[in-house]
Amino acid sequence: QVQLAESGGGLVKPGGSLRLSCTASGFTFSDYYMSWIRQAPGKGLEWVSYIGPNSHYINYADSVKGRFTISRDNAKNSLYLQMNSLRAEDTAVYYCARDFDSDLLTGYFDHWGQGTLVTVSS
Amino acid sequence: EIVLTQSPATLSLSPGERATFSCRASQSISNYLAWYQQKPGQAPRLLIHDASNRATGIPARFSGSGAGTDFSLTISSLEPEDFAVYYCQQRSNWPQTFGQGTKLEIK
Repeated sequence: QVQLAESGGGLVKPGGSLRLSCTASGFTFSDYYMSWIRQAPGKGLEWVSYIGPNSHYINYADSVKGRFTISRDNAKNSLYLQMNSLRAEDTAVYYCARDFDSDLLTGYFDHWGQGTLVTVSS
Repeated sequence: EIVLTQSPATLSLSPGERATFSCRASQSISNYLAWYQQKPGQAPRLLIHDASNRATGIPARFSGSGAGTDFSLTISSLEPEDFAVYYCQQRSNWPQTFGQGTKLEIK
C-alpha cells in the first residue's frame, strides 16, 4: 500500500535551517507530482510547494519563496524540503503528499504522510 | 488568491443524523473543489474531488455537490467515526488554497 514517511523536523532558532525528508513506498514514486503542505498548531492547511516527476516543474507559496527549496531523488524514492531563514510563523506540522493522478498536476492530494513537526523558537 | 469560507465553524450533531457542510469561494472555481477529513493527530484524508466524485474507498454516505462559488458536503447518516474536522480545497487557481475547516462534534 502507499506509504509516505516524513522525518527531519525539530526545534530550530529563528534564522536557522532544517531539511525535511519524505520516503515513499508502495507506488511508482517517479510518476507523481509531490507536494509539501503544512499546518500550524491548531490551524488550517497551507500548501507550501510542489515538484514534478522529473523535477522540471517546481512552484512555491509566496510565504516561503526564496527561503525554501524542494527537491527529489527518484532513485531513492525520496522528497526533500530545505528550509532556510526560518521564522516563527514557519512553525507547523509539515506533511508530504502525493498528487491524485500519475503524471498530472491535479492539485488534489490522495495520500499524505503522518507529518513532522517543525518548531521555530529561540 | 482565492479565499474559501466554510460554514458553520462547528456543527453539533448526533450519530444517525444528516450533516451538511458549506464552502463558498471568493470567485468562481468551476468544479475544482475537494473535501478532506482530518481526525486529531492524523493527516487529512481525501473524500471528494472535482466537487462530487468520491475518492477511492470513501463510503457512499459521503456526497458532494456544487459548482461556481457554492459547494456542499453531505454525510447522509453520521457514524461515530465521522466526527472530525472537514476542509474544502480549491485547485482552480494557484496557489491552491484550503478553507479554515468545520469541526463536526458529537452533540
